[in-house]
Amino acid sequence: NAGVTQTPKFRVLKTGQSMTLLCAQDMNHEYMYWYRQDPGMGLRLIHYSVGEGTTAKGEVPDGYNVSRLKKQNFLLGLESAAPSQTSVYFCASSLTAFATNEKLFFGSGTQLSVL
Amino acid sequence: GQSLEQPSEVTAVEGAIVQINCTYQTSGFYGLSWYQQHDGGAPTFLSYNALDGLEETGRFSSFLSRSDSYGYLLLQELQMKDSASYFCAPLGGNTPLVFGKGTRLSVIA
Repeated sequence: NAGVTQTPKFRVLKTGQSMTLLCAQDMNHEYMYWYRQDPGMGLRLIHYSVGEGTTAKGEVPDGYNVSRLKKQNFLLGLESAAPSQTSVYFCASSLTAFATNEKLFFGSGTQLSVL
Repeated sequence: GQSLEQPSEVTAVEGAIVQINCTYQTSGFYGLSWYQQHDGGAPTFLSYNALDGLEETGRFSSFLSRSDSYGYLLLQELQMKDSASYFCAPLGGNTPLVFGKGTRLSVIA
């Protein structure tokens, strides 16, 4: 049982390049999330999904797109990377959401640097 | 909307007790959760409070007072491995989890 797996773990991009971060979970969770973490800023929600085929915007969605074509996968795309998108990206999943017993399981993160 | 406040840094001595506070101004909120994150690692779930009062899990306890819009995480018998960042996040609203900026705990000998 791997839990939540993110690939890649590290990536360096040049400004304007595109890339996709992949998140896979094997816990049959309905809900999936993408957060970014910057020093002193905590975890900020980028986009989330409440089920296969659905996506929604979080706190900081600009410059990112997502897709949830399969229940177990949640992809985060950067169409034209900018230095401001240098960050650590975490994917998470949960069995419940918007509930008092909500518990998120996080992947190990992706360190992205945009030069 | 949601507004969470935590101290940015706390330092405590090994073996001591430390309390990390979380205050919030959040609408439609019913509980509070806590996550731990070691440097270079991923956040991991620690505990949650769905009701007012104290919840104990080993050396860690969490308290919630919804009337005071306040909660805290209490760590007892501190160990060096407890050095990490701790995040609070309100529960039960109509939005996904929004985290506070986190409290960096340093345990010193």
